[in-house]
Amino acid sequence: AQSVTQPDIHITVSEGASLELRCNYSYGATPYLFWYVQSPGQGLQLLLKYFSGDTLVQGIKGFEAEFKRSQSSFNLRKPSVHWSDAAEYFCAVGAEGTYKYIFGTGTRLKVLA
Amino acid sequence: DAGVIQSPRHEVTEMGQEVTLRCKPISGHNSLFWYRQTMMRGLELLIYFNNNVPIDDSGMPEDRFSAKMPNASFSTLKIQPSEPRDSAVYFCAVSGRLNTEAFFGQGTRLTVV
Repeated sequence: AQSVTQPDIHITVSEGASLELRCNYSYGATPYLFWYVQSPGQGLQLLLKYFSGDTLVQGIKGFEAEFKRSQSSFNLRKPSVHWSDAAEYFCAVGAEGTYKYIFGTGTRLKVLA
Repeated sequence: DAGVIQSPRHEVTEMGQEVTLRCKPISGHNSLFWYRQTMMRGLELLIYFNNNVPIDDSGMPEDRFSAKMPNASFSTLKIQPSEPRDSAVYFCAVSGRLNTEAFFGQGTRLTVV
């Protein structure tokens, strides 16, 4: 069965520090992978996506993610976190051949001034 | 989320009442999804439509829940009768093509007292 695991429920970093949010997936075929961000009271906004090709993908707001097939991972990174990055982050996998998306449980990011 | 308009943004209702949540997707998106988000269960896919036809409603928790999509620009999610455990944020999302990203509305926060 397809699944997405985000092992970190909460992460706290200082403003200006680097960030890495972990995401592991379980999927038999080539996955379609996404990272979304949710600010309080808002819907989910797409940060970036991976379908194929270059395994390092760039997204909005200075985020990037790297697809590592051997590790079944799609970790999200940012070199320098801003206070406005405080939000909840969701990793998701698209089931090939269907329209369904499977979301992880999310990682809540807190940024210290 | 610019592609999806949900109403109302907040709904407070008494147990036993009927609740109707609305979604207006911008045209050009073939698939429409209803999700429920709670602290305990995270994001759950309730149902999704493709070209206005319900494809998978296996996530609908009970017969009290029903969803319709009478045309490409409107969908409803109805709960009748509502119960306190239905309290959650309900999101509508759309996607344009198979295995592309989903665009989310801002959600409806439902509180059943």
